[in-house]
Amino acid sequence: EVQLVESGGGLVQPGGSLRLSCAASGFTFSSYEMNWVRQAPGKGLEWVSYISSSGSTIYYADSVKGRFTISRDNAKNSLYLQMNSLRAEDTAVYYCARESDGSGSYLPYFDYWGQGTLVTVSS
Amino acid sequence: QSVLTQPPSVSGAPGQRVTISCTGSSSNIGAGYDVHWYQQLPGTAPKLLIYGNSNRPSGVPDRFSGSKSGTSASLAITGLQAEDEADYYCQSYDSSLSARYVFGTGTKVTVL
Repeated sequence: EVQLVESGGGLVQPGGSLRLSCAASGFTFSSYEMNWVRQAPGKGLEWVSYISSSGSTIYYADSVKGRFTISRDNAKNSLYLQMNSLRAEDTAVYYCARESDGSGSYLPYFDYWGQGTLVTVSS
Repeated sequence: QSVLTQPPSVSGAPGQRVTISCTGSSSNIGAGYDVHWYQQLPGTAPKLLIYGNSNRPSGVPDRFSGSKSGTSASLAITGLQAEDEADYYCQSYDSSLSARYVFGTGTKVTVL
């Protein structure tokens, strides 16, 4: 069974830092591209960042570029999101999401999601 | 604001059919990019509902169906059930944006 379990969320002051983790199990983590998606309270979904299976290719949403860093450790089956210079507008539930494996030649989609971890940026 | 627009809410009685639109433009859905749909039950993580415009993952009831035409896509729920009350999001790609993926604005489905 595929499982994605996020951790590391919490309350942080504006300008502070936080590191989120996502522990993966039930599949060959090193074969899949991974993403972070966030959802502000009462709002919709926002794609945040992508990392290829090897970690060699990375993308960020403009809203977090230069402040957030995505990484992965395939030996530990783990995905990370280092968040620096946090702002109030970064307050959200952060989900890690597995990207589809590319079979069928469809635009990639998110076939499995974690339960999310809440990040609150407030003084 | 998202480039994929959905109605904020739709409602229907049990057993009825409801549809949710996802309206885009020539740089996303109209350019031929696939549309996927997610269901988010209250207090839970999103779940893949439809991929590649009209395909259901294993375990998703056939009451859910998707379609795409021109610059829009639609999700239909037939035989609406109480457990279908949730938020629904479409997802695609937009060639005019730097974002790798874009989500729709989201639609709350209420079962009357």
